Amino acid sequence: DSGVTQTPKHLITATGQRVTLRCSPRSGDLSVYWYQQSLDQGLQFLIQYYNGEERAKGNILERFSAQQFPDLHSELNLSSLELGDSALYFCASSVGLGGQETQYFGPGTRLLVL
Amino acid sequence: QKEVEQDPGPLSVPEGAIVSLNCTYSNSAFQYFMWYRQYSRKGPELLMYTYSSGNKEDGRFTAQVDKSSKYISLFIRDSQPSDSATYLCAMSANRGNNQGGKLIFGQGTELSVKP
Repeated sequence: DSGVTQTPKHLITATGQRVTLRCSPRSGDLSVYWYQQSLDQGLQFLIQYYNGEERAKGNILERFSAQQFPDLHSELNLSSLELGDSALYFCASSVGLGGQETQYFGPGTRLLVL
Repeated sequence: QKEVEQDPGPLSVPEGAIVSLNCTYSNSAFQYFMWYRQYSRKGPELLMYTYSSGNKEDGRFTAQVDKSSKYISLFIRDSQPSDSATYLCAMSANRGNNQGGKLIFGQGTELSVKP
């Protein structure tokens, strides 16, 4: 158990809908990262927050947004969902925010868009 | 061309074999190199972390980084059926506290260790 929690574990929804994925980092970690894992693209970085502020952005679609709250939990919002958004979404956390930090991954949320 | 290339396998070996997993990369700015293990439908778990070039050993696992060749390896000695998983290499170019911690992952190699 990494100490990172994610809810829900599974999510099934329809095209065009909006969903929210939630992540609680390890105690003491200030950085939260979101990654998407699909069969064809592998594990891809989406976005990073550090202590409530956005610090790095990957190839995140405009339909996707995230935020980190004062209690440091984070939410990833996915809207106007398409079939291709079906994937595993992982949250990771670390103490600091640089590339030298060890990132600990949560168990993931499996999203299926029908 | 992807920044990080990794043979997806699958790789099947008998129990007790030495396993070699490899990644190549194109970005010479990468400084931090990791290997993660991912069991089916689970989150990636950090196995090894190496900074810059050199070797690092931890039990049955050895990680090697050759920055001159842009090549990293993970060796597993005396492989066990419990080592059956997908192994992902990951890298980061950013240091310090002002650039973020984006990790670039390889595609992952699926390993099966047969009893």
